[in-house]
Amino acid sequence: AQSVTQLGSHVSVSEGALVLLRCNYSSSVPPYLFWYVQYPNQGLQLLLKYTSAATLVKGINGFEAEFKKSETSFHLTKPSAHMSDAAEYFCAVSLDNQGGKLIFGQGTELSVKP
Amino acid sequence: NAGVTQTPKFQVLKTGQSMTLQCAQDMNHNSMYWYRQDPGMGLRLIYYSASEGTTDKGEVPNGYNVSRLNKREFSLRLESAAPSQTSVYFCASSGRTPNSPLHFGNGTRLTVT
Repeated sequence: AQSVTQLGSHVSVSEGALVLLRCNYSSSVPPYLFWYVQYPNQGLQLLLKYTSAATLVKGINGFEAEFKKSETSFHLTKPSAHMSDAAEYFCAVSLDNQGGKLIFGQGTELSVKP
Repeated sequence: NAGVTQTPKFQVLKTGQSMTLQCAQDMNHNSMYWYRQDPGMGLRLIYYSASEGTTDKGEVPNGYNVSRLNKREFSLRLESAAPSQTSVYFCASSGRTPNSPLHFGNGTRLTVT
């Protein structure tokens, strides 16, 4: 059965510092993986997705994630944090590789200090 | 450019009351979903509809019913609300191609007292 674990419910970085949000997955089939972002009082928006075309995936707002099968990981990174990156981030795995039926991680709240 | 619209935005119910959460999308998507979001638990799938006329249970369907009224609209009904159903509910839709991203509404915050 598929599952997702996000390490750290809260991450705090300084503006300009590296952002690293960790996600590990468990899947019985080659996974389709996603990162979504949620700003306060809004729904989730897609940041990026991995669908086996390339292991390094680039998303919106300067974020990228690398799929590492040997580590069953799909960590999200951004070289330089901006105040506007403060939000909650969710990693998700597709239940049936059809996209919409997703298993979400618990979420990581990112704070950015000036 | 509405996308996915949910109503109401906020609702307070007493235990045992019923209500329907409404969702409509204007992107001509085939698939629609209802998720609930609880602190520390991420989002969990309640029900989904792969196409007009079909609905299926997700991870946490107990206490809920759904109706796919037409291609645009997908409603979620609580017949007898319980405090455990206090949550933020999100409707989402996605296109036909595999791994089309989910497009989310802004949520309904429901409190059951």
